Amino acid sequence: DGGITQSPKYLFRKEGQNVTLSCEQNLNHDAMYWYRQDPGQGLRLIYYSQIVNDFQKGDIAEGYSVSREKKESFPLTVTSAQKNPTAFYLCASRISPTASIQPQHFGDGTRLSIL
Amino acid sequence: GENVEQHPSTLSVQEGDSAVIKCTYSDSASNYFPWYKQELGKGPQLIIDIRSNVGEKKDQRIAVTLNKTAKHFSLHITETQPEDSAVYFCAPLGSNYQLIWGAGTKLIIKP
Repeated sequence: DGGITQSPKYLFRKEGQNVTLSCEQNLNHDAMYWYRQDPGQGLRLIYYSQIVNDFQKGDIAEGYSVSREKKESFPLTVTSAQKNPTAFYLCASRISPTASIQPQHFGDGTRLSIL
Repeated sequence: GENVEQHPSTLSVQEGDSAVIKCTYSDSASNYFPWYKQELGKGPQLIIDIRSNVGEKKDQRIAVTLNKTAKHFSLHITETQPEDSAVYFCAPLGSNYQLIWGAGTKLIIKP
């Protein structure tokens, strides 16, 4: 079955540590996205990528970094510069970045907590 | 900037009754209006969407209505069932092709 796989499901970070969240899709989608969700709130865009080797900052990119070396993979690194990283992180993809009537498809998220 | 308001934030209905959630947006260029359902510990899933040239769309117990003049669209769920309990998000597409997310509505179905 085609879909988006995020791993791990739960992740713990120590102070001053960088951690990387994995996102893999086998939908052959061009566009991929990372969102952050805090309890009781909507989704906020961290970074997005419209094509391999290209990515743009979203609304809350500070303290995060990404790469897009392969079409199917879009890992997110939460750096030590992100002072409040505890949140639920969601990865999504879309067939084309400018396809106006195509939905985004989501993985099941990674919950990051600080030790 | 682009803004989306979703109401109510929490909705509690008796099983079998109907539920309506409303989303108001500011970007007049928006032309795609999806609704997502998010269950606990999962990612959001698209449940229904509508384009700007259509006023209403129905899929079994779920319907979406769009009023472009007033810049709002609504999710209607009829004959609610326990499995409808979840958080629902509207996310109209903005002029930069990014979804603009509402804050969510927690729907509680009382047995």
